[in-house]
Amino acid sequence: QKEVEQDPGPLSVPEGAIVSLNCTYSNSAFQYFMWYRQYSRKGPELLMYTYSSGNKEDGRFTAQVDKSSKYISLFIRDSQPSDSATYLCAMSEFDDYKLSFGAGTTVTVRA
Amino acid sequence: DGGITQSPKYLFRKEGQNVTLSCEQNLNHDAMYWYRQDPGQGLRLIYYSQIVNDFQKGDIAEGYSVSREKKESFPLTVTSAQKNPTAFYLCASSTPFGGAGTEAFFGQGTRLTVV
Repeated sequence: QKEVEQDPGPLSVPEGAIVSLNCTYSNSAFQYFMWYRQYSRKGPELLMYTYSSGNKEDGRFTAQVDKSSKYISLFIRDSQPSDSATYLCAMSEFDDYKLSFGAGTTVTVRA
Repeated sequence: DGGITQSPKYLFRKEGQNVTLSCEQNLNHDAMYWYRQDPGQGLRLIYYSQIVNDFQKGDIAEGYSVSREKKESFPLTVTSAQKNPTAFYLCASSTPFGGAGTEAFFGQGTRLTVV
């Protein structure tokens, strides 16, 4: 079993829809949870960063962490064609240098 | 501008040859990483370094080697012992995830193809 599980999709939605992405993990020591966005043939860029449990909102993006269920989510509201990308979840333990990544979910937003 | 620079962007290698991928950062980060990305498998850690002159194997280190002689530089050598080297290679740097605002910054990647 992988340490971080993420459904690779692909996921295709119409413009304006809500995109829901999620990851599950097995390491209860993970404290930091991140979502990266990666456009084709580019390096990933950080979208959202959450410490421990709870919700965080940034514009159209909402990240949720449920440590009791070892489950994290990313929601994209009012999705745009420019949101078409691969979304990777990543997580790490406290004060650790190593990041563990999910496989990435490829999202296409249709105009 | 601060950031991470990977070169070259595309690299072709003949079977049996060693090649070295360059990664330079000017973010003053202590930690640097090399990841390999294959379709449907996400990012897999090859090597990482927390400090100059020290590095650790990641999950898929076989067939790869690294050095960390300077804080800014972390080159990756793909040796002939790596059986399936064709992939997208990503370099990253970070501070430890112990405070607000820390994150891993990625370069734009090097696509290696064995011909």
